[in-house]
Amino acid sequence: SQQGEEDPQALSIQEGENATMNCSYKTSINNLQWYRQNSGRGLVHLILIRSNEREKHSGRLRVTLDTSKKSSSLLITASRAADTASYFCATGMLGGSYIPTFGRGTSLIVHP
Amino acid sequence: DTGVSQNPRHKITKRGQNVTFRCDPISEHNRLYWYRQTLGQGPEFLTYFQNEAQLEKSRLLSDRFSAERPKGSFSTLEIQRTEQGDSAMYLCASSFRGGLAEQYFGPGTRLTVT
Repeated sequence: SQQGEEDPQALSIQEGENATMNCSYKTSINNLQWYRQNSGRGLVHLILIRSNEREKHSGRLRVTLDTSKKSSSLLITASRAADTASYFCATGMLGGSYIPTFGRGTSLIVHP
Repeated sequence: DTGVSQNPRHKITKRGQNVTFRCDPISEHNRLYWYRQTLGQGPEFLTYFQNEAQLEKSRLLSDRFSAERPKGSFSTLEIQRTEQGDSAMYLCASSFRGGLAEQYFGPGTRLTVT
């Protein structure tokens, strides 16, 4: 079973709108990472947030982490057509040897 | 380009044949991971190396799968007696020291077993 689960599975928006996707996980973690995958290609690391952090920003990306609810959200502001991709969260479990466990991803389509 | 590279990018093989994939990580990275990804799913962990030592293998990795990382540099993933269910994208990633380090992924090798 996969540790992280993204929600929604698919999201379709217009260019310029904000996109929010969520990740829920089951066990305690020491960090959570978000990755982007363009169609048929490898994953690109976007941002890492540690378990003692609540919010992190990187350019148009904003990630929040709520360890009490075991959830994280990724907000992409002012979306562009180039943001069209699948987005995955990956969790590193507390006390583990750090093997990131990926969810099924959110497929984002940004219409120009 | 000093990113992670994988070869071949595409492989079509007949059921029962053996295939081998290669991954060249970023040179200073000591951790190397193999994942398998099928359509609509996230990457599933297969195995990882720290330097030349294979430290963990997933239960998904049947006896037909073997991976090596001689001298702690490039890695190979071999699948023997391929089955149609082995059709997937095989991704390699590397990182520096693991732990909280981000992973850098290669473009993947797409395997089709006919």
